[in-house]
Amino acid sequence: EIVMTQSPATLSMSPGERATLSCRASQSVHSNLAWYQQKPGQAPRLLIYGASTRATGIPARFSGSGSGTDFTLTISSLQSEDFAVYYCQEYNNWPPETFGQGTKVEIK
Amino acid sequence: EVHLVESGGVVVQPGGSLRLSCAASGFTFNDYTMHWVRQAPGKGLEWVSLIGWNGYSTDYRDSVRGRFTITRNNNEDSLYLQMVGLRAEDTALYYCVKGSGSGGPDYFDYWGRGTLVTVSS
Repeated sequence: EIVMTQSPATLSMSPGERATLSCRASQSVHSNLAWYQQKPGQAPRLLIYGASTRATGIPARFSGSGSGTDFTLTISSLQSEDFAVYYCQEYNNWPPETFGQGTKVEIK
Repeated sequence: EVHLVESGGVVVQPGGSLRLSCAASGFTFNDYTMHWVRQAPGKGLEWVSLIGWNGYSTDYRDSVRGRFTITRNNNEDSLYLQMVGLRAEDTALYYCVKGSGSGGPDYFDYWGRGTLVTVSS
């Protein structure tokens, strides 16, 4: 079973700052890694798939990188609407059941 | 535009049964794998079950296997989750989720708003 570990658990940032979120897999998932954003009271939304491809309608300030076991989600300049919880998910294996525990990006 | 609308969540006693439904629109339903993902109050996301495009391929997380059954009706663009033997730890918001493909590992490209299942006496 693959374990996905996200760090940090909480990121305290100010608007306009650059945020870097990490996701590490216990074994290689190649580039089969997705990122989701969840705002309070809302369903998750797909941000990134294939480790680095932005989903439809996702602003360019969101970028993903990495392959194998180490992945990064970067938000280049935090906007007020970006304060949320972010989850990574590997889909290299079947079934695609493994999410990270989430990183909360909060206003400093 | 893709829409997924869940229904059926209620308060149920431990050991009880429940059937969740999901009405899909805005895409060719029978082309895609569908999933249920849940989120316990204040917790993270947990994949529950999937069903392949034609309904023949299904899978479950270990903690629900044998108690939950996923089905779909491609004529009605609907997804279901039959839940029996419910436990307190099944309490969660259950999301209907569209998979990105029709077979093999996929990511989750569209989510419903969820339906709340509470298991409590």
